[in-house]
Amino acid sequence: GNSVTQMEGPVTLSEEAFLTINCTYTATGYPSLFWYVQYPGEGLQLLLKATKADDKGSNKGFEATYRKETTSFHLEKGSVQVSDSAVYFCALRRPGGSQGNLIFGKGTKLSVKP
Amino acid sequence: NAGVTQTPKFQVLKTGQSMTLQCAQDMNHEYMSWYRQDPGMGLRLIHYSVGAGITDQGEVPNGYNVSRSTTEDFPLRLLSAAPSQTSVYFCASRQAPTGWVPHNEQFFGPGTRLTVL
Repeated sequence: GNSVTQMEGPVTLSEEAFLTINCTYTATGYPSLFWYVQYPGEGLQLLLKATKADDKGSNKGFEATYRKETTSFHLEKGSVQVSDSAVYFCALRRPGGSQGNLIFGKGTKLSVKP
Repeated sequence: NAGVTQTPKFQVLKTGQSMTLQCAQDMNHEYMSWYRQDPGMGLRLIHYSVGAGITDQGEVPNGYNVSRSTTEDFPLRLLSAAPSQTSVYFCASRQAPTGWVPHNEQFFGPGTRLTVL
């Protein structure tokens, strides 16, 4: 079946530290991959996406590269800020599956300390 | 645009009570979905709709009903609430995919936090 596995949290970093949140997936066909962010008390917002192998999604200093050979989509940021504290979800969308609804990982909570 | 709106923000029910979670979007999106978010579980799809009059089940549909009489609204009904339905519920919408744009962004509402005692 289709699934997404994320590294377990919580992750606690100091401001300006390097961030990596690992995400691997299992899917039939060629899924699209997404990272969503959920700030405290809010809904989910799309952070970045990649729709085919070797695509790199980027936004707000975050990056992730679609690696088909390792079925991964790791999220990275070179220098985190306190305002990046949130829960991050990796997700996939399989073309045609459940009309393209998203399949989510369990989420990784990030806390950034000043 | 208000985007995706949900009401209420918080709700406490007793076991066996019924209620409807409201969801509306003003972006003229064809596709709408309901997810529930539980600690350590991520988001799981409950029901979805690809247009007015068309609904289908997701991963965890039991105990929930939906209908889609208009493009804008997609209410979620709990017929007889159970403690296992304590969760945060998110409604989402997006445009139908096209050949030009097959991977439209999904927009989420702010959520409804439901507690069933």
